[in-house]
Amino acid sequence: DGGITQSPKYLFRKEGQNVTLSCEQNLNHDAMYWYRQDPGQGLRLIYYSQIVNDFQKGDIAEGYSVSREKKESFPLTVTSAQKNPTAFYLCASSIDRFSYEQYFGPGTRLTVT
Amino acid sequence: AQKVTQAQTEISVVEKEDVTLDCVYETRDTTYYLFWYKQPPSGELVFLIRRNSFDEQNEISGRYSWNFQKSTSSFNFTITASQVVDSAVYFCALSEAGAGTALIFGKGTTLSVSS
Repeated sequence: DGGITQSPKYLFRKEGQNVTLSCEQNLNHDAMYWYRQDPGQGLRLIYYSQIVNDFQKGDIAEGYSVSREKKESFPLTVTSAQKNPTAFYLCASSIDRFSYEQYFGPGTRLTVT
Repeated sequence: AQKVTQAQTEISVVEKEDVTLDCVYETRDTTYYLFWYKQPPSGELVFLIRRNSFDEQNEISGRYSWNFQKSTSSFNFTITASQVVDSAVYFCALSEAGAGTALIFGKGTTLSVSS
């Protein structure tokens, strides 16, 4: 089955720790994205990557970092510099930068205490 | 600047009622794309429709229909004869042609359908 996987579904961390969220896709898509969703809010773009070894900051990149060493994988690290890391994180992909249809993974709910 | 407004935060209806979810957008581009996504309680966003700015034809897919009006910058979504399974958060989103494929989302409308 082709799709996007995010693991784990729920993640708990202590304040001050860095944490990495996994996102893998087997759709052979070039572009991948990370969004953050807070209660009652829409999705906000953190980072996106249009091709391997390249990525750009979105609207709320501060306190986050990403890498894109393989086409299938786009992990997101939430660093201790992120002031309010508790949120629902969604990964998405699209065929390429010219395709406007994005497919989403099931999301990871991160709780930092 | 681009912006998407979904003025209805929550809507509650009884099964079989029709319901319309409003979406108003702002953009300076002449080429752009509009989307609707559904987010059920499981959390994963499900793509419903994409419409480009040059195609103002309304679309119907089963019980779902969309009304795109450039004159009022609106892209409204109607569910006919709503069902309990329609209960979800619905997001409207905008993508401008010159901005790569980044999506600008509205804050969403939570639809609750009771039996």
